[in-house]
Amino acid sequence: AQTVTQSQPEMSVQEAETVTLSCTYDTSESDYYLFWYKQPPSRQMILVIRQEAYKQQNATENRFSVNFQKAAKSFSLKISDSQLGDAAMYFCAYRSATGGYNKLIFGAGTRLAVHP
Amino acid sequence: KAGVTQTPRYLIKTRGQQVTLSCSPISGHRSVSWYQQTPGQGLQFLFEYFSETQRNKGNFPGRFSGRQFSNSRSEMNVSTLELGDSALYLCASSPEGPGTFSSYNSPLHFGNGTRLTVT
Repeated sequence: AQTVTQSQPEMSVQEAETVTLSCTYDTSESDYYLFWYKQPPSRQMILVIRQEAYKQQNATENRFSVNFQKAAKSFSLKISDSQLGDAAMYFCAYRSATGGYNKLIFGAGTRLAVHP
Repeated sequence: KAGVTQTPRYLIKTRGQQVTLSCSPISGHRSVSWYQQTPGQGLQFLFEYFSETQRNKGNFPGRFSGRQFSNSRSEMNVSTLELGDSALYLCASSPEGPGTFSSYNSPLHFGNGTRLTVT
C-alpha cells in the first residue's frame, strides 16, 4: 500500500522569504501523480501544484515549485516570495495511475505560518 | 461557475442517530468522491462515484454508504453514529470518468466540507 509522509507538522516563514515543505512517499508503482493541496481556515482544499511521475521536469506554478526526486521518492514544495495569504495547512497527496482515479492518499499535513 | 457545494455546513447529532450529507459537484462534473478528515487519522478516502455507480471504496465500515443521482449530485449516509465519526467530511468532484488518460491527472475540486459533531 502507498503511504505519504510529511515530517514537518509546522513551519514558519517571514513574508517575502522562501520556504520548503517536505514530502516523501512510498510506492512500488512506476506511474502515478503527486499533488500539493492547500487548506486555509475556510476548510476548502485548493490545488497548488501537480506533478506527473513520468515527467522529469519539475512543475512550477507562479511562486510555487516542486523538487521531484523519483528515485528518492521525494516531492518537496518550495514557496517563493511568501505572502500572508499563503498561511494554511499544506497536504501532499499521491494518486495511483491505476485503480480508483479519485482516490488520493494524503500526508498528515504541514501547518505553515507566515509572519509579517 | 459555482464550485462544489456541500450542505449542511455544520451538523450536530447524537450517538446512534443517522445522518445524510449532500454534495453538488461543479456543473458538468460527473465524478464525486468523499473524504473524512479527523485530527487523528488525517484525510481518508471514503468512496467515489461515477455515473451513479460506486467505483471504489475505502476502508470504512458498512455504516458509511453513499449514492449518486442522475444529475451527479451525491449523498453520503452514516448510520448508527459513533463518537469517532465526528469529523470534517469533504466532497470532491472531477470532470473526468474512469479509464481515460487525463482522468488521473485531473485535479479534484473540493467543497468546504460538512463539520459533523457526534455527542
